[in-house]
Amino acid sequence: SQKIEQNSEALNIQEGKTATLTCNYTNYSPAYLQWYRQDPGRGPVFLLLIRENEKEKRKERLKVTFDTTLKQSLFHITASQPADSATYLCALDTGRRALTFGSGTRLQVQP
Amino acid sequence: NAGVTQTPKFQVLKTGQSMTLQCAQDMNHEYMSWYRQDPGMGLRLIHYSVGAGITDQGEVPNGYNVSRSTTEDFPLRLLSAAPSQTSVYFCASSDLSRKVSPLHFGNGTRLTVT
Repeated sequence: SQKIEQNSEALNIQEGKTATLTCNYTNYSPAYLQWYRQDPGRGPVFLLLIRENEKEKRKERLKVTFDTTLKQSLFHITASQPADSATYLCALDTGRRALTFGSGTRLQVQP
Repeated sequence: NAGVTQTPKFQVLKTGQSMTLQCAQDMNHEYMSWYRQDPGMGLRLIHYSVGAGITDQGEVPNGYNVSRSTTEDFPLRLLSAAPSQTSVYFCASSDLSRKVSPLHFGNGTRLTVT
C-alpha cells in the first residue's frame, strides 16, 4: 500500500531562516501532491499543489519541489516567522479522488 | 462563508453507544469525505461520496456508516462505539468539476469512547 513518510520529529528554526520539510513516498506514482497546514484544534488548510510534470511551484514565501525519480517532495518556507509555526502535512493522490496523508511535521519558529 | 461545518466539537461516549457526527458544506461541492486523525498515524480515509446517493468505503470503514441524501450533508454514524474509535474526526469536501481540487476541511469532532 502507499506509504508516506514525513519527519515525525519537530523542526525548530530561528525566525528569518528557511524551513525545509521533507515528504517521501513509496509504492505509488501520484499524479499530484498537495501540502496542507494544520494548527492545533483546527482542520488542515490547503497550501499548494504540484503536478507530476512540474519540478517546482511557488506561492509567496512558499516553495514546493517534486522529484518523481526520488519519490520525494520538499516544502520550503523562506524568511520564516513565528506565525508559520504549525504542523505541515503532505498528501498524495491515490485515485478515486482519495488523498493519502502523511502524519505531518511540526514546525516551530523561534523569535 | 461558513465552508465545512462539523458538529459537535467534542463528544464523550460509553462503549456500545451510538451517535451521529454531522457535517455540512455550503460550497455546493459534490465530493465529501470523512477522515480520522490519530497521533503518529496521519489522516485516514473512512468513507467518501461523489454525490447524493453515492457512497464508498475508504481505508478504515469498519464500525462506521454514512449516507448522502443531499449535496450539503454527509453524516457519519457510529452504531456501537468502541474505545478504538477514540479519535479526532474531520469532514472534508472538494469541487468535482475541477480535475484536481484541494480538500476543504471542517475543524473536527474530538470523540472519546470510554
